[in-house]
Amino acid sequence: DIQMNQSPSSLSASLGDTITITCHASQNINVWLSWYQQKPGNIPKLLIYKASNLHTGVPSRFSGSGSGTGFTLTISSLQPEDIATYYCQQGQSYPWTFGGGTKLEIK
Amino acid sequence: EVQLVESGGGLVKPGGSLKLSCAASGFTFSSYAMSWVRQTPEKRLEWVATISSGGSYTYYPDSVKGRFTISRDNAKNTLYLQMSSLRSEDTAMYYCARTATGYFDVWGAGTTVTVSS
Repeated sequence: DIQMNQSPSSLSASLGDTITITCHASQNINVWLSWYQQKPGNIPKLLIYKASNLHTGVPSRFSGSGSGTGFTLTISSLQPEDIATYYCQQGQSYPWTFGGGTKLEIK
Repeated sequence: EVQLVESGGGLVKPGGSLKLSCAASGFTFSSYAMSWVRQTPEKRLEWVATISSGGSYTYYPDSVKGRFTISRDNAKNTLYLQMSSLRSEDTAMYYCARTATGYFDVWGAGTTVTVSS
């Protein structure tokens, strides 16, 4: 199985900051990497697919990059509504697997 | 509006069975692969099963293979998950998810499954 290692597991940042979350795959997954946002008490929602494609309706302050084994999610100009847990997920091969999540808090 | 509504969750004893349903609306159900994804009490996300748009192909992780069966009725716009030989580690929120190539683009609100004696 492909292991997905996300870091950090938690992050505290100030409004207006730019933050980066990383996701490392245990083997090459090309660009088959997605990012999801789960706000407290809510369901996961797709942010980015195929490493760098913004899902419909997602604000442009979210961006994704990477290929192979290393990927990043960047949130620029952090807003209060960005408080959430973020997960990466590989769709290169079954079994599809998720990272452990990054909990983002506002300072 | 694209909508997925799960039902069928509940409390079941270890070794028991349960069948989840997911009613889809707002899109052409028969054109999409569909999946079940669960979230454990520790908030870990786990992929559970995927079925092709026509229902001919199914995929499972080893953790549920042989115990869970995903199916669909395209005439009723409904996805199912038959779960048997349930274990305590199957306790989770179960989400129905519309599935694109390698990712989940729409999620339902979920239904809770608790396996406990």
